[in-house]
Amino acid sequence: AQSVTQLDSHVSVSEGTPVLLRCNYSSSYSPSLFWYVQHPNKGLQLLLKYTSAATLVKGINGFEAEFKKSETSFHLTKPSAHMSDAAEYFCVVRVYSSASKIIFGSGTRLSIRP
Amino acid sequence: SQTIHQWPATLVQPVGSPLSLECTVEGTSNPNLYWYRQAAGRGLQLLFYSVGIGQISSEVPQNLSASRPQDRQFILSSKKLLLSDSGFYLCAWTRPGLPSSTDTQYFGPGTRLTVL
Repeated sequence: AQSVTQLDSHVSVSEGTPVLLRCNYSSSYSPSLFWYVQHPNKGLQLLLKYTSAATLVKGINGFEAEFKKSETSFHLTKPSAHMSDAAEYFCVVRVYSSASKIIFGSGTRLSIRP
Repeated sequence: SQTIHQWPATLVQPVGSPLSLECTVEGTSNPNLYWYRQAAGRGLQLLFYSVGIGQISSEVPQNLSASRPQDRQFILSSKKLLLSDSGFYLCAWTRPGLPSSTDTQYFGPGTRLTVL
C-alpha cells in the first residue's frame, strides 16, 4: 500500500529565512512524487515532481526537493522565503499507473512573517 | 497550450436542490479527467475519473454523479444536495492515453460550493 504523510499542518517562517516542508511516503515500489501549491480559493499548481531521475529536483519559484529513498522522504525547501510563498502545499505520491491511485497529503499551510 | 476551465466559480445552493458543475479542457484531445472535493482544511478526495467519453469511474459512493458527454467536457451533478456536499470542487486533467504514475495533473481554478 502507498501513503503520504505531511508532518506539519502549519509552518511559519520569517521573510528571507529558509523554508522546510516535510513529506514522508510509504510505498512498496518506486514512487513518483509531486509537490503542489494552492493559494486561497485557487486550483493546485505543480511546483516540481520526481520520477526516478535525479534525486534533487528543482521547481518553480526557487523551490526544490530531494528524494531520499533511505529515509522515505521528499522534503520541500527554499533558501529564502518570500511573502508570496504564503499558501497551502500538498505532497502527492503515485506508484501505480491506475488513474485512481493518487494519494494526496493532508497539506501544510505556510505562513510568512514580515 | 492547454487550459482548463471550471464554472461557476462560486455557488450557493439550498439543501435538496440539484447541482451541475462544469469542467472543460482546451488544447488537447482525449485527456484523462478527474473530479476532486476538498473539504475545509483537508486534503483532496478523488470523486470520479474518466479516461474517455462516457467512461466514468466512481471512487466514493455518495450523492454525486459525473458524466462526460464530450471529449473535453466533464460534468459533476447531483439530484439533491446535502449539507455535507459543501466544499471546494476541483477538476484536473492528465495527458491522453493509459494513465502513468509519472503523469502530472493540471488543475482547474475550482468551484466553491456552499449548501445551506
